[in-house]
Amino acid sequence: KQEVTQIPAALSVPEGENLVLNCSFTDSAIYNLQWFRQDPGKGLTSLLLIQSSQREQTSGRLNASLDKSSGRSTLYIAASQPGDSATYLCAVSQPQKLVFGQGTRLTINP
Amino acid sequence: DTAVSQTPKYLVTQMGNDKSIKCEQNLGHDTMYWYKQDSKKFLKIMFSYNNKELIINETVPNRFSPKSPDKAHLNLHINSLELGDSAVYFCASSQGGTGSFGQGTRLTVV
Repeated sequence: KQEVTQIPAALSVPEGENLVLNCSFTDSAIYNLQWFRQDPGKGLTSLLLIQSSQREQTSGRLNASLDKSSGRSTLYIAASQPGDSATYLCAVSQPQKLVFGQGTRLTINP
Repeated sequence: DTAVSQTPKYLVTQMGNDKSIKCEQNLGHDTMYWYKQDSKKFLKIMFSYNNKELIINETVPNRFSPKSPDKAHLNLHINSLELGDSAVYFCASSQGGTGSFGQGTRLTVV
């Protein structure tokens, strides 16, 4: 059974810092890995999708890496801004479903 | 245009009632899902449908009955609501493992 773990559960950093969010999964038989953002009381917004054959994806200040053999992914956020405050979820894609981690609640302090 | 839309956004009801949540996607995706997000913000899959056929039922009580009249719709009907059903329910669709989520329905059972 696939299990996805995100560390840390919560993170608070000053504005401008670079930071890394971690995601690990137990079963490497995945189609892809997706990072989402969830704002309080809102739905999920897809940030980055990494196919199982890829090593990383970049979008603006965000960079996600994937090491399928070790069951790990990281989301790197450069030059953090208060608007980046949200919960970040990683999810691995298996047949017919996404399996989610518990999320990392990120707070960027001005 | 909203890719995955679900209604209502909020639902407050008494124990024992029956309620439905509707979901529609205009992305042309083959697969649709229902996820439940509990009070700890953990997202867990409930059902997965592919081309109107049930693929996954993750040990959900049979009080929950999904209905897919066509590939673009997946509705969720809940009978005899219980206090523990209070949560946010997300509809999603995917193609090739990429998930798109609705804004969620916050169900409160009183």
